[in-house]
Amino acid sequence: QVQLVESGGGVVQPGGSLRLSCAASGFTFSAYAMHWVRQAPGKGLEWVAIMPYDGTTKYYADSVRGRFTISRDNSKNTLYLQMNSLRAEDTAVYYCARRISGYNYGLDYWGQGTLVTVSS
Amino acid sequence: QSALTQPASVSGSPGQSITISCTGTSSDVGGYNYVSWYQQHPGKAPKLVIYDVSNRPSGISNRFSGSKSGDTASLTISGLQPEDEADYYCNSYRSSRTFVFGTGTKVTVL
Repeated sequence: QVQLVESGGGVVQPGGSLRLSCAASGFTFSAYAMHWVRQAPGKGLEWVAIMPYDGTTKYYADSVRGRFTISRDNSKNTLYLQMNSLRAEDTAVYYCARRISGYNYGLDYWGQGTLVTVSS
Repeated sequence: QSALTQPASVSGSPGQSITISCTGTSSDVGGYNYVSWYQQHPGKAPKLVIYDVSNRPSGISNRFSGSKSGDTASLTISGLQPEDEADYYCNSYRSSRTFVFGTGTKVTVL
């Protein structure tokens, strides 16, 4: 069965860095585009970044562009999110999600999320 | 990147139908058929209920249906059931090759 498991969250000071991981299993990871989505406490969902299946052009939300970097290691079936220059407003649960296959669009599998808290 | 606009809350009695709107622009909802909808129960990860405007993933009840007219997409839940009480979010591709979620709608089953 498809599983996505995020890790790497924690408490970090403003200006600090953190790297999140998303371990995938139960499907051919290298064939799927992957996304990061976040949700601040008590708030709505916010799209963060997309990583194509082949690791080519990546796209980011304006709020994180230049500070966050999405990457993947298909040999390890793992998606990453490197987060630098963290701000209080980056505090959120971060989810990785798989894009549905083919030319369709929807995020059909999600991890359980990992909490990032930016605080001094 | 402004979020798509959804009503903050919608309510209905069991068995009734409700519709949640999701309003964007010609650069997102109106320009592409890449609108999806997610259900989120408290403390849980979101769950895909509609993709590509009106398609249901395998395992999703046919009580859930989606449509689009111009810059506004809609999710209709028919035969409302207690377990449908949750937050619902729309999502759309945007011409800047990014994606955007809606503001979210809390559905209450009276």
